[in-house]
Amino acid sequence: DQQVKQNSPSLSVQEGRISILNCDYTNSMFDYFLWYKKYPAEGPTFLISISSIKDKNEDGRFTVFLNKSAKHLSLHIVPSQPGDSAVYFCAASAGTDKLIFGTGTRLQVFP
Amino acid sequence: DAGVIQSPRHEVTEMGQEVTLRCKPISGHNSLFWYRQTMMRGLELLIYFNNNVPIDDSGMPEDRFSAKMPNASFSTLKIQPSEPRDSAVYFCASSLGTGGAGANEKLFFGSGTQLSVL
Repeated sequence: DQQVKQNSPSLSVQEGRISILNCDYTNSMFDYFLWYKKYPAEGPTFLISISSIKDKNEDGRFTVFLNKSAKHLSLHIVPSQPGDSAVYFCAASAGTDKLIFGTGTRLQVFP
Repeated sequence: DAGVIQSPRHEVTEMGQEVTLRCKPISGHNSLFWYRQTMMRGLELLIYFNNNVPIDDSGMPEDRFSAKMPNASFSTLKIQPSEPRDSAVYFCASSLGTGGAGANEKLFFGSGTQLSVL
């Protein structure tokens, strides 16, 4: 049973536009959420995180939004750049329990 | 820092053969994790170590899988015998803390080993 779900396997966005990647979770005990970015032939790298006490966290062009009532979080990239083309993994944890990752969304930003 | 180093980058083997994947974590990191990436299940945690001690191996799929960490700078993941369904990308990651694989434990991943079992 997937506790963290990324229902869109892929997303294509034009350069300069907004990219919105979505993630849903089922475990109400999750209190920390992260996004990792993965380029081909490389390991995932940490991108941005948010605690359950917040509903928004921003870092440059990247913003993560958390809707606890809907058990939903999203990653916004504005403006999107070709270098953002990668696979994005959503992850969640409850306390110090192990991170649970989603299946990933492949983002392609075209000129 | 060289980051987390995994070897080999690619491994092609025949069903029934033993496979050994290797990992060197970042120096000074106290926790080491083994993940497996598949299309269907995404990134799954197989096992993690704190200070070289296995803490949670509940993700290890079956007895064919084993992992060791004989010292702070080396870990192995072994599959014996290997099966075609083991084909996946295997990642090793390390982190500075010892409190588990959850909050505030930013993970640093290696480049992975692409395993193909024919």
